[in-house]
Amino acid sequence: QVQLVQSGAEVKKPGASVKVSCKASGYTFTSYDINWVRQATGQGLEWMGWMNPNSGNTGYAQKFQGRVTMTRNTSISTAYMELSSLRSEDTAVYYCARGLTPGPSGSYVYWGQGTLVTVSS
Amino acid sequence: QSALTQPRSVSGSPGQSVTISCTGTSSDVGGYNYVSWYQQHPGKAPKLMIYDVSKRPSGVPDRFSGSKSGNTASLTISGLQAEDEADYYCCSYAGSHVVFGGGTKLTVL
Repeated sequence: QVQLVQSGAEVKKPGASVKVSCKASGYTFTSYDINWVRQATGQGLEWMGWMNPNSGNTGYAQKFQGRVTMTRNTSISTAYMELSSLRSEDTAVYYCARGLTPGPSGSYVYWGQGTLVTVSS
Repeated sequence: QSALTQPRSVSGSPGQSVTISCTGTSSDVGGYNYVSWYQQHPGKAPKLMIYDVSKRPSGVPDRFSGSKSGNTASLTISGLQAEDEADYYCCSYAGSHVVFGGGTKLTVL
């Protein structure tokens, strides 16, 4: 069965960077885009961007341009999301998600368990 | 890249039907047949309930249905059950990006 398993919770200081991993199993990693979505406590879902694990191509939400980098290691079927220049407003649960179909559509049927990133001095 | 507009809350009694609206623009909801809906219970990851405007993934009850007219999409839940109480988010592909709605809290009275 398809699984996305994320790395554990992180606590970071303002101005630092965080790198969250998402290990995929149960399907061909390079066949489906990986998307990243975050959710601050008590707030809604916010799409951050996508990465094509086959080509490495990426697309980021305007809000995160210049601060987010999405990469992958195909040999271990793992995607990464790095967010830099962290501020308190970046405190949130970060999810990786995979679509129902290979193309971009916003239809995320598989989700990681979420990684809580806390930014605090 | 503005968020889609959803009502903050809706409510209904068991057995009734409720509809949640999701308003976007011609650049997102109105421009593509890639609207999806997610259900989220507290402390859980979102669950895909509707995709491509009106399709249901395997395992989602047919009490959940989706539609779209112009720039507004809708999720209808018929035969409300207690376990339907959750937050619901709409989502639309918008060409170069994806956008979510602000979320709607459904209360089953």
